[in-house]
Amino acid sequence: AQKVTQAQTEISVVEKEDVTLDCVYETRDTTYYLFWYKQPPSGELVFLIRRNSFDEQNEISGRYSWNFQKSTSSFNFTITASQVVDSAVYFCALSGNSGGYQKVTFGTGTKLQVIP
Amino acid sequence: DGGITQSPKYLFRKEGQNVTLSCEQNLNHDAMYWYRQDPGQGLRLIYYSQIVNDFQKGDIAEGYSVSREKKESFPLTVTSAQKNPTAFYLCASSPITQLNTEAFFGQGTRLTVV
Repeated sequence: AQKVTQAQTEISVVEKEDVTLDCVYETRDTTYYLFWYKQPPSGELVFLIRRNSFDEQNEISGRYSWNFQKSTSSFNFTITASQVVDSAVYFCALSGNSGGYQKVTFGTGTKLQVIP
Repeated sequence: DGGITQSPKYLFRKEGQNVTLSCEQNLNHDAMYWYRQDPGQGLRLIYYSQIVNDFQKGDIAEGYSVSREKKESFPLTVTSAQKNPTAFYLCASSPITQLNTEAFFGQGTRLTVV
């Protein structure tokens, strides 16, 4: 069985602060992929990043960065110099094999509020 | 523009009635999915389809039914057998069902049973 835990239900930060969203996962697969999605108030989930289980390089994209640590089964997401437009619910997801077919498991999401 | 269209955005249903949520995509994707989102529970998979005329149950399929007669359409019917249907429903699609494929989501339908 696979599982994704996002322990932070809600986070509030003041604009320009840095914020890290935590994601811890469990899986027995050796090959799997991890994703982060953003859900703005409009409702649709927007894909942010994908990382495979063999690539532990951190990634930076503008104000966003991701830290993948296999040793702690974590895939954390940091927003630097947060902005009001970053306010959304963020989901971490794990894609693996379950009973011979692909299964995607989502975490429960972290609601981020950036206060101007 | 390419994307996924869900309709309606808001839907009200009386207890005991079936209701169908529409999902259409023009991305030429083979795979389509239905998720249910409840507060504090994240997204849970209801049904998915990898190809036309084929679909599989997800984790919470009871009380739901789907069809996939066309590649671009994957409607979800919430039947009267679904005990707690009030929720936010998201439809998604992806080019193929492989581990590394991200999904593209519609804007969702909020269903309320009155």
